[in-house]
Order: sequence, then C-alpha cells, then structure tokens
Amino acid sequence: GDSVTQTEGPVTVSESESLIINCTYSATSIAYPNLFWYVRYPGEGLQLLLKVITAGQKGSSRGFEATYNKETTSFHLQKASVQESDSAVYYCALGDAGAKLTFGGGTRLTVRP
Amino acid sequence: DMKVTQMPRYLIKRMGENVLLECGQDMSHETMYWYRQDPGLGLQLIYISYDVDSNSEGDIPKGYRVSRKKREHFSLILDSAKTNQTSVYFCASSPGHNSDYTFGSGTRLLVI
Repeated sequence: GDSVTQTEGPVTVSESESLIINCTYSATSIAYPNLFWYVRYPGEGLQLLLKVITAGQKGSSRGFEATYNKETTSFHLQKASVQESDSAVYYCALGDAGAKLTFGGGTRLTVRP
Repeated sequence: DMKVTQMPRYLIKRMGENVLLECGQDMSHETMYWYRQDPGLGLQLIYISYDVDSNSEGDIPKGYRVSRKKREHFSLILDSAKTNQTSVYFCASSPGHNSDYTFGSGTRLLVI
C-alpha cells in the first residue's frame, strides 16, 4: 500500500534558524500522487500548508517551501528562518486517485525564542 | 465562515459503553472522513463518506460504524468502546477528489 515516512520528532530549533523536515513516500497504487503538507497548531485542527500536484514543481506558503521530487520520492519541507509562531505539528501526506489522503506520522516542531 | 465542527471536544467513557462522535460542515462538501490520530502513527482513515448513505471503509474500520443521513452531518459510532480506541478523532470534508481537506479541531476520547 501507499505510505509516507517523515522526520521523527520532536524537533527543536531556535528562532531565526533554518529548518528541514524530511518526507519520503511510496505510492504503489498511484502513478502521480498529489503531495501535501498540513500543519496543526495547538488546540486546532489540521490546516493545509501547501500542496504540489506536479512532479518537479515547488510549493510555498508562509515562508515554507517543498519540492516534489519524483526521482527520490521526496517532498521535504524547508524554511530559511523559523519563528516561534511556527511551533506546531507538521504532517506530510499523499493523495491517491480517489479522495483518500495517506499521512505520515507527524513531526512536532518547537521553536525556542 | 467555512468550517468543520466536531462535538464533543473531550469525552471520557467506560469500556463497553456506546460512543457517538458528531461532525458537521457548512460548505456542502460531498465527501467527509473520519480519521484517528495516535502518537507516531499519523492519521489513519476509518471511514469515507462520498455523500448521504454512501459510505466506504477506510484502513481501520473494525470496531466503528458511521452514519450520514444529511450531507452536512457525519457521525462516528463506537458500539461497546474498547480501551484501544482511546485516541484523538478528526473529521474532515472535501468538495471532491484530491481536493484540499477542511479538518475539524478533533475529539479527544479516553476509554477507561
């Protein structure tokens, strides 16, 4: 079946440092999956951070970026300079041909002021 | 304001009791979902509903059933709750295939 593996947390970085959260996927039933990053802030539901539906393309939002790499089956999330408000749980996900999303285990990020 | 609302936010039940988790959305989305989230396991799909009375099992349907009698409401039922069903349950909706999901804030269920 399809699966997503991402950096195990928790991850702690200091404000203004750079960040990378790794995500790799295995899409056995889908030739061209859509790839997503969701974020969950404390006390809230998951929110879509960014998505990319075409291999080779980059998505960006709120200073975060991720590039869909079909060769390495990766979709790493990066930010050049994190802020304390970025503290949250981040989930990588892939979408199949239907309506289903397959999620990674989530990465808890804490940004120290 | 487009949103998915889950009730209750927190729930404590004894083993063997029945549990009803409610979810509503105000966007007329066709598709709705129930996921559970456990530490380190990400979100696991329990059921998908493609519209009223059109429900399909997800990856972990055992021990759960669902009901969707109106497009805006999707219920998750646990008949005779078990301790291993302690989890955080998320409801979501989307307007169609491969669309951006809108998630609720979750229901934290503790079965003792």
